[in-house]
Amino acid sequence: NAGVTQTPKFRILKIGQSMTLQCTQDMNHNYMYWYRQDPGMGLKLIYYSVGAGITDKGEVPNGYNVSRSTTEDFPLRLELAAPSQTSVYFCASSEPGTGGNQPQHFGDGTRLSIL
Amino acid sequence: AQTVTQSQPEMSVQEAETVTLSCTYDTSESDYYLFWYKQPPSRQMILVIRQEAYKQQNATENRFSVNFQKAAKSFSLKISDSQLGDAAMYFCAYRSATSGTYKYIFGTGTRLKVLA
Repeated sequence: NAGVTQTPKFRILKIGQSMTLQCTQDMNHNYMYWYRQDPGMGLKLIYYSVGAGITDKGEVPNGYNVSRSTTEDFPLRLELAAPSQTSVYFCASSEPGTGGNQPQHFGDGTRLSIL
Repeated sequence: AQTVTQSQPEMSVQEAETVTLSCTYDTSESDYYLFWYKQPPSRQMILVIRQEAYKQQNATENRFSVNFQKAAKSFSLKISDSQLGDAAMYFCAYRSATSGTYKYIFGTGTRLKVLA
C-alpha cells in the first residue's frame, strides 16, 4: 500500500518559473490537503479538498493553485515562483471519519528552493 | 480562531527515561480532536496518538500517553522508556469537530533529542 505519494522529492526553480507538485493517494480518501513547512515552523495549510471537483483555500493560498479532477490526485501549481515560496511541501489525505477523528496520512514531502 | 502553542522548541531525554512534551491550545469550541504527530529526519509525518475532547480518559498507545486537561486547554505527550528511534520533531495538532470543518491547526513543533 503506497499511501500518499509526492513527486518530485527535491526541486530547484528560478524566480518566475512555474511547476506542479504532484500528489497521489491510493486509499480512496475524500479529503486531501497541501501544507508548507518553513524552517523551524509548523505546517501551514495552503489548500484543501473535500472531494473531486471541490477545493478551498487554507491559510496561505496566495501564489498557488490546485485542482481535484479525481479522488486520487491533488496537484499543487506554482505559477510564478518567488523566493518566499522556498519551503518543504507536504500533501496529506484523510477519511471523513466520524466527526473528524480520522488522522491525516502524509506524503514524504517535496523540498523546493527558489533561487 | 483556534491556535496551538508548543512552548518547548527543543527537549532532550536520556535513553530509557521519560519525557513530557507540552502543548496548549486556544478554542471556544467544546468538541474537537487533538493529535500528536512525529516527524523523523526522513520528513514523513506519522500519527503518534489522538484524543477526542469528549473523552475524559487519556489516550495511550504503548509507550506514548497524553495528559489531556480540557479546562486548562492542555494536551501534553508523555514518552516512557525513550528510545533512540523516538528522536524527531513532534507536532501537536487541533481539529474542530464542527460539521463541515476540515482543517487541522498545527503547533510549531518540539525537537526531541534522545541521548544514548
